[in-house]
Amino acid sequence: GENVEQHPSTLSVQEGDSAVIKCTYSDSASNYFPWYKQELGKGPQLIIDIRSNVGEKKDQRIAVTLNKTAKHFSLHITETQPEDSAVYFCAAGGSTLGRLYFGRGTQLTVWP
Amino acid sequence: GAVVSQHPSWVICKSGTSVKIECRSLDFQATTMFWYRQFPKQSLMLMATSNEGSKATYEQGVEKDKFLINHASLTLSTLTVTSAHPEDSSFYICSAGREWGTGELFFGEGSRLTVL
Repeated sequence: GENVEQHPSTLSVQEGDSAVIKCTYSDSASNYFPWYKQELGKGPQLIIDIRSNVGEKKDQRIAVTLNKTAKHFSLHITETQPEDSAVYFCAAGGSTLGRLYFGRGTQLTVWP
Repeated sequence: GAVVSQHPSWVICKSGTSVKIECRSLDFQATTMFWYRQFPKQSLMLMATSNEGSKATYEQGVEKDKFLINHASLTLSTLTVTSAHPEDSSFYICSAGREWGTGELFFGEGSRLTVL
């Protein structure tokens, strides 16, 4: 099955700086790569996703890049704010209907 | 975006009792829903795939008699933790997708189960 690795496990940045979280996957058949933000005690919330037919997608301060050849994708958050502090999960899927494989998560802390 | 609702958001029960958690897709029909379990500071562990009108598919190592899943309609799936014990205490999360083939999933808010 698919194996998703996520780094770093923790990330601390100063407000206004950028944050980058990286993931790799193993199954070349995966074609859907979402990123979720999870706040304490809540369910994951989809913040951005990318499909294998594009290399980059941007939504305001958030962007995701995908390198299918190298099997890695990254989340970029610019101009970070304290409210961006949360756990972020990457996932890969598409090879099995509806099934997503998750990374281990990154605890992002943005200091004011 | 699509909304998936879970109920209850938290529940405390005595050891040996059964607890039912509901997962509803509020603005779309979901033929398949997924149930996850999450331990503190860990990732989501897929427990089972809930299929409307048929038996759920359980992941390896998940006891199907312990975690009963019923998907009786296109908008509702339930997870029943039977004869709960303290080790069953966890955060349970469901998800559903609106369009299959795209892989896009929306998650419920989660249910915190504490077994005394």
